[in-house]
Amino acid sequence: DSGVTQTPKHLITATGQRVTLRCSPRSGDLSVYWYQQSLDQGLQFLIQYYNGEERAKGNILERFSAQQFPDLHSELNLSSLELGDSALYFCASSVYGGAGNTIYFGEGSWLTVV
Amino acid sequence: GDSVTQMEGPVTLSEEAFLTINCTYTATGYPSLFWYVQYPGEGLQLLLKATKADDKGSNKGFEATYRKETTSFHLEKGSVQVSDSAVYFCALRPNTGNQFYFGTGTSLTVIP
Repeated sequence: DSGVTQTPKHLITATGQRVTLRCSPRSGDLSVYWYQQSLDQGLQFLIQYYNGEERAKGNILERFSAQQFPDLHSELNLSSLELGDSALYFCASSVYGGAGNTIYFGEGSWLTVV
Repeated sequence: GDSVTQMEGPVTLSEEAFLTINCTYTATGYPSLFWYVQYPGEGLQLLLKATKADDKGSNKGFEATYRKETTSFHLEKGSVQVSDSAVYFCALRPNTGNQFYFGTGTSLTVIP
C-alpha cells in the first residue's frame, strides 16, 4: 500500500459526460501529480500541484482540469468525454524538494467511456 | 529537455534467465534515477533508485548502476522468476524542481 488513495477504482460513463476523479496523497506529501495511462500512449504526465498551486502542466487536454484543495486532496475533472479518453488515470504524490525523493502512485482509476 | 529512453518491449524470457532492460537519460546536472514496476492490474511501485553517479540501487534481486559517463541506468537481474512478469519503467527526477520523467515502459513476461 503506497498510501495514495484514489476513488473511484472503476467508472463507466457515456460520451459527452463529465466525471471527477479524486485523490488523497500520502500523509505529509504536498505535491500531487496526475498521469494518464493508455495502451497506445503509455504513461502520460497531465499536471502537477504543490500545496494547492499548479506547478507543471503536461499533455492535459483543455477539456480536463484539476485542482488541489487546502486539505491537499486533489480532483481531476474530465468533461465532454470521448471514447479516446478511456484509460487508467493515476494520481501520485511526493515530498517536494530533496534529491532522490520518490513519487508514490495510487492504484489508479479505470475510466471507460462508451 | 530532460528525458528517458528505455528499451522497447515486449521481452519474453524463460525462468532463471538473465535480464537486462536498458535505460538511458538526457538531463543537465545530476538527476536522481528510478526504476518502477507495474504488476498486472496495479499501480506503479518503486523498485529501486540511485541519487548520484556510481550509486547502485538494488531490491528483490534487481540492480541498476547510475553511470554518468554513459548516461545510463540499466536494470539487471541474474535469474528471473515467473512472478517478475510486469511492466518496468525507468524514470528521472532532475536535481532542481520536482518533475519526474518516465520512459515508455518495457513489458516483461517470464515463462516457466
